[in-house]
Amino acid sequence: DIQMTQSPPSLSASVGDRVIIACRASENIASYLNWYQQRPGQAPKLLVFGASSLQSGVPSRFSGGGSGTEFTLTISSLQPEDFATYYCQQTYRTRRTFGQGTRVQI
Amino acid sequence: EVQLVESGGGLVQPGRSLRLSCAASGFTFDDFAMHWVRQAPGKGLEWVSSISWNSGLVEYADSVKGRFTISRDNAKNSVSLQMNSLKPEDTALYYCARADSGFYQYFDYWGQGTRVTVSS
Repeated sequence: DIQMTQSPPSLSASVGDRVIIACRASENIASYLNWYQQRPGQAPKLLVFGASSLQSGVPSRFSGGGSGTEFTLTISSLQPEDFATYYCQQTYRTRRTFGQGTRVQI
Repeated sequence: EVQLVESGGGLVQPGRSLRLSCAASGFTFDDFAMHWVRQAPGKGLEWVSSISWNSGLVEYADSVKGRFTISRDNAKNSVSLQMNSLKPEDTALYYCARADSGFYQYFDYWGQGTRVTVSS
């Protein structure tokens, strides 16, 4: 299976900060990388698919980048509702795998 | 409106079985692959199993292979997960998710989950 490794596991930030979360795949996954946001007590929500395409309705302060094995999710100006846990996921292989998550806290 | 509603969770003893169901509505069910994803208490997301639109391709995580069986009934717009030989480490919130039918097959809709607790 493809292993997905996120860094950092958690971070502390303030409203208005620029936040970058990294995700590394154990093999080349081209652009088959998606990002999800999960708020406490809620189901995950798709933010970015295909490494850099923003899902409809997701604020433009979110952006994704990278290809191959190295990817990033950037939040350009952190808002109160962005404090959550973020997961990357590969859909290159049929056995889908997620990163371990990055918790963004105040 | 797309809706996925899971059911069937509960408290079960180790070694016993449980069957989860996910009722889908608001879209053409047999156009989409479906997945189960679980989340142990305080932990991250773990992909569990998937089934293609016509049940022709099923996949399982190593942690459940040989114990869990995924199936779907396109006439009833539902997907199920039969879980046998349950272990305490199967304790989790189980989500049903729809995979987009396009190039990247991301999970665009999720249910709210059904909780499974394996304990004596």
